[in-house]
Amino acid sequence: QKEVEQDPGPLSVPEGAIVSLNCTYSNSAFQYFMWYRQYSRKGPELLMYTYSSGNKEDGRFTAQVDKSSKYISLFIRDSQPSDSATYLCAIWKTSYDKVIFGPGTSLSVIP
Amino acid sequence: DAGVIQSPRHEVTEMGQEVTLRCKPISGHNSLFWYRQTMMRGLELLIYFNNNVPIDDSGMPEDRFSAKMPNASFSTLKIQPSEPRDSAVYFCASSQPTSSSEQYFGPGTRLTVT
Repeated sequence: QKEVEQDPGPLSVPEGAIVSLNCTYSNSAFQYFMWYRQYSRKGPELLMYTYSSGNKEDGRFTAQVDKSSKYISLFIRDSQPSDSATYLCAIWKTSYDKVIFGPGTSLSVIP
Repeated sequence: DAGVIQSPRHEVTEMGQEVTLRCKPISGHNSLFWYRQTMMRGLELLIYFNNNVPIDDSGMPEDRFSAKMPNASFSTLKIQPSEPRDSAVYFCASSQPTSSSEQYFGPGTRLTVT
């Protein structure tokens, strides 16, 4: 079983829709959870960072972590064409451990 | 800050040739990471350095791959000899001392080996 799994998509939604992106992970030792966004032909950039279970909101983006289910989600409200990108979830234990990236979900927001 | 700088941005070479990729991390960041990204395998960590010392090179696929970090502001990833299956986008990333999970990625080097 892979350490982190993610539906690769592609996911296509109309502008203004609510988008839900999801990942599952296998090891309960992971404590830190991130979402990176990667535009075409660019490097990934950190979008959201959470530590505990629960929700964290930043503008139109909400990251949700359920450690009991080993399930992490990213919600995008009022999606915009500029949100079209690949979204990678990432998990991390502690210092000196490597960050594990999911394969990424490709999202297209259609005007 | 200019961010993480990588060179070259594109590299096309023939099988068997040596390839050297270069990275300049963000000033003040003491962790540096080399990743490889392909459609099939996604983003894979090859090696990472902390304070210029290699900490984990378990992701380096073969002896043909080597990485160095001679000082805090420069790192290289070398492939010798290169093979067509090495074709991928290679990213360098860096992070601050207190938060190696918050990584800042460079623009990548797109390598094509024919």
